[in-house]
Amino acid sequence: NAGVTQTPKFRVLKTGQSMTLLCAQDMNHEYMYWYRQDPGMGLRLIHYSVGEGTTAKGEVPDGYNVSRLKKQNFLLGLESAAPSQTSVYFCASSSRWREGVNEQFFGPGTRLTVL
Amino acid sequence: AQSVAQPEDQVNVAEGNPLTVKCTYSVSGNPYLFWYVQYPNRGLQFLLKYITGDNLVKGSYGFEAEFNKSQTSFHLKKPSALVSDSALYFCAVRESTSNTGKLIFGQGTTLQVKP
Repeated sequence: NAGVTQTPKFRVLKTGQSMTLLCAQDMNHEYMYWYRQDPGMGLRLIHYSVGEGTTAKGEVPDGYNVSRLKKQNFLLGLESAAPSQTSVYFCASSSRWREGVNEQFFGPGTRLTVL
Repeated sequence: AQSVAQPEDQVNVAEGNPLTVKCTYSVSGNPYLFWYVQYPNRGLQFLLKYITGDNLVKGSYGFEAEFNKSQTSFHLKKPSALVSDSALYFCAVRESTSNTGKLIFGQGTTLQVKP
């Protein structure tokens, strides 16, 4: 099993450009999450999904959109990138709550710089 | 509101000495608590979790954590530190009434183990 994979690993954007980050998991997990990690602030939840076709806002959703068209994929979009979105982005997945209180599995991250 | 606090930005310990990384939490219901470790340029890896039962939880790589309900703490411990334990450690909490699996993370504590 590859677990949780993220593409790309690195990206540099100019202000105003758009991009999509792809997350894929092969563990048949229902739940998927997008976080951003900034120094001294831990991980903050951007958006999450509890199943195919459903998404919800997390703690810091502004400037981002997501889609979960397939159970194994969770896409994070930046429509018009801003320097404040320079960060490391992590995707995670976990099994359903009623199947146990299970940990989240994380991808390796995408380092995004917006100039 | 749920919250997690890791009061120390950095913990320094000599190799072979015991280590403790502190975590306190605030939730309205019963807490589900997690510890994750992040090595440089990597995603987060699950170490251990507390759901219910024994207050001393054992996890990966020789780590353990002690749940203390009266002090609302969940400190990470290891009897004998290794240089390879040097990393960034995150405590996280999930409220028992949540069925989305969302976690609230602390800001992280850098553990530095010196030879």
